[in-house]
Amino acid sequence: NAGVTQTPKFQVLKTGQSMTLQCAQDMNHEYMSWYRQDPGMGLRLIHYSVGAGITDQGEVPNGYNVSRSTTEDFPLRLLSAAPSQTSVYFCASSPDRGEQPQHFGDGTRLSIL
Amino acid sequence: TQLLEQSPQFLSIQEGENLTVYCNSSSVFSSLQWYRQEPGEGPVLLVTVVTGGEVKKLKRLTFQFGDARKDSSLHITAAQPGDTGLYLCAGHAGGTSYGKLTFGQGTILTVHP
Repeated sequence: NAGVTQTPKFQVLKTGQSMTLQCAQDMNHEYMSWYRQDPGMGLRLIHYSVGAGITDQGEVPNGYNVSRSTTEDFPLRLLSAAPSQTSVYFCASSPDRGEQPQHFGDGTRLSIL
Repeated sequence: TQLLEQSPQFLSIQEGENLTVYCNSSSVFSSLQWYRQEPGEGPVLLVTVVTGGEVKKLKRLTFQFGDARKDSSLHITAAQPGDTGLYLCAGHAGGTSYGKLTFGQGTILTVHP
């Protein structure tokens, strides 16, 4: 089992560029989410999805879009990158949105110049 | 927005010492999870506590959920260098926030041989 796979692992962008961070899970989990991790701030929820076709905003959604066309994939799109979006991004999945453990990918380290 | 205050932010101790990490909130959580994260990897679940007053033990790690379900602690006995890492608490809220996981800022633990 691959679990949760995130690509790319590293990316450098210029301000204003757009890109998509990929996230795929092979555990047939309904619930998927995106977090960003910044020093001293833990992980903050960006967007989440409780199933294919359903997405909702988390704590810090501005500047990011998501879609969930399949159970397996949950891409995160940066529409116009800003230096404030420099961070490490983690995708997670769980069987449902309750107290089940979140399975995290290994993260994408993104730098915006 | 529910907040989880984690303390201390940094902890540097010698092998064999005991330590406690605290996770506090003014809000009630339906459950609380503790994760451990190593550099370059995503967080990995250690334990979930769901009942007020609950105590769970995982080898040398003891986790406690406060009676009012607003706070939690992680106690490590006889710390070892292999315990070094970032420890994160995360709370599940109920009601309209169901499905959103709130993380504390994290505690960076370094155990010196």
